Amino acid sequence: NAGVMQNPRHLVRRRGQEARLRCSPMKGHSHVYWYRQLPEEGLKFMVYLQKENIIDESGMPKERFSAEFPKEGPSILRIQQVVRGDSAAYFCASSPSLESRTEAFFGQGTRLTVV
Amino acid sequence: DAKTTQPPSMDCAEGRAANLPCNHSTISGNEYVYWYRQIHSQGPQYIIHGLKNNETNEMASLIITEDRKSSTLILPHATLRDTAVYYCISYPMEYGNKLVFGAGTILRVKS
Repeated sequence: NAGVMQNPRHLVRRRGQEARLRCSPMKGHSHVYWYRQLPEEGLKFMVYLQKENIIDESGMPKERFSAEFPKEGPSILRIQQVVRGDSAAYFCASSPSLESRTEAFFGQGTRLTVV
Repeated sequence: DAKTTQPPSMDCAEGRAANLPCNHSTISGNEYVYWYRQIHSQGPQYIIHGLKNNETNEMASLIITEDRKSSTLILPHATLRDTAVYYCISYPMEYGNKLVFGAGTILRVKS
């Protein structure tokens, strides 16, 4: 059973470009969470998604950031018109249904560098 | 903001037990205590969780006080590879895994 897969592992974008980060949850997991870790800082919750639904996006910046988890395929975190302050490690986690009361498992992250 | 408090750093000798404390004095009855660790900017790794009983798995033991206001994570025989930032988190499982990470404890295992 493969773990949470994130790609790319490293992404370099110029200011003003778009960044698309992908997350494939563990098999059987229908809940996905995105977290951001700025350099030398802690992990901050961004968004919580189920298949085709955004459950909680209280940690998402109001502009330029969006997330989706379609019925088929990976979850996507999209950052439009990137700025230098978006440079960070972005981690995805997945878990089964809420009823299972189990922990979340994290991927290895995508390191975004904006130049 | 995180609802737990942890010491910023600790040192431990290789082969000895590492005891990492966590205070969660405002924990609610339905909130679990979770421990994760992050080794050198890798993805956080789940360690153990508990509600009110002590728990043990292949990685660690979790001791929760009777009043549930604090807990201790025990790594019985620390190795150099256990050097990491350890996060203690409390949250109600029924609301999903929206984890609120604090600053954690930097554990340095030294030979």
